[in-house]
Amino acid sequence: DADVTQTPRNRITKTGKRIMLECSQTKGHDRMYWYRQDPGLGLRLIYYSFDVKDINKGEISDGYSVSRQAQAKFSLSLESAIPNQTALYFCATSDPQGIQETQYFGPGTRLLVL
Amino acid sequence: GQSLEQPSEVTAVEGAIVQINCTYQTSGFYGLSWYQQHDGGAPTFLSYNALDGLEETGRFSSFLSRSDSYGYLLLQELQMKDSASYFCAASNNAGNMLTFGGGTRLMVKP
Repeated sequence: DADVTQTPRNRITKTGKRIMLECSQTKGHDRMYWYRQDPGLGLRLIYYSFDVKDINKGEISDGYSVSRQAQAKFSLSLESAIPNQTALYFCATSDPQGIQETQYFGPGTRLLVL
Repeated sequence: GQSLEQPSEVTAVEGAIVQINCTYQTSGFYGLSWYQQHDGGAPTFLSYNALDGLEETGRFSSFLSRSDSYGYLLLQELQMKDSASYFCAASNNAGNMLTFGGGTRLMVKP
């Protein structure tokens, strides 16, 4: 089984709809992240959480919200989807031990907002 | 803030050596990582440099020069399966957050 899973893998929605993307991990990591990927722009950080009670905005948090339901679960919501939120969304986890920051990514959710 | 620059595309032939460069402008720079992403797949960790010099992992090596704010990923004995996008990512010492470059698409030709 995959260590980091995301649901759904693909989603088509309409402008104005609320949607939730879910992420679960079995790695036992405290840190979880949500990124968005657009062609040529790499990965941009939306929100991150260092533990269940810690939520932080990333580079591009406007229009998004998150919920850390448990150590293993981190959900991303688009309260009112708009077409420029069409992108590939990745969840990631990391272990803060040591000096090296290695992140482990889920398979991604491809979102299309019409 | 942090920004990282890398070429958008590189093409090389099977069996050759290719170098993908990354320059960064950061505050509180801690280390440079490299990730590989195949089309339709998730990024996967390749290499990390916190100190100046070369780190070798099989056919892949990564280099860092902190004084030049520069690093590169070196891929040797290229194989068709190496065709992918490669991202450099800088971590900072304020929580080890990662900032990613825009990615370099490597095409390996026969």
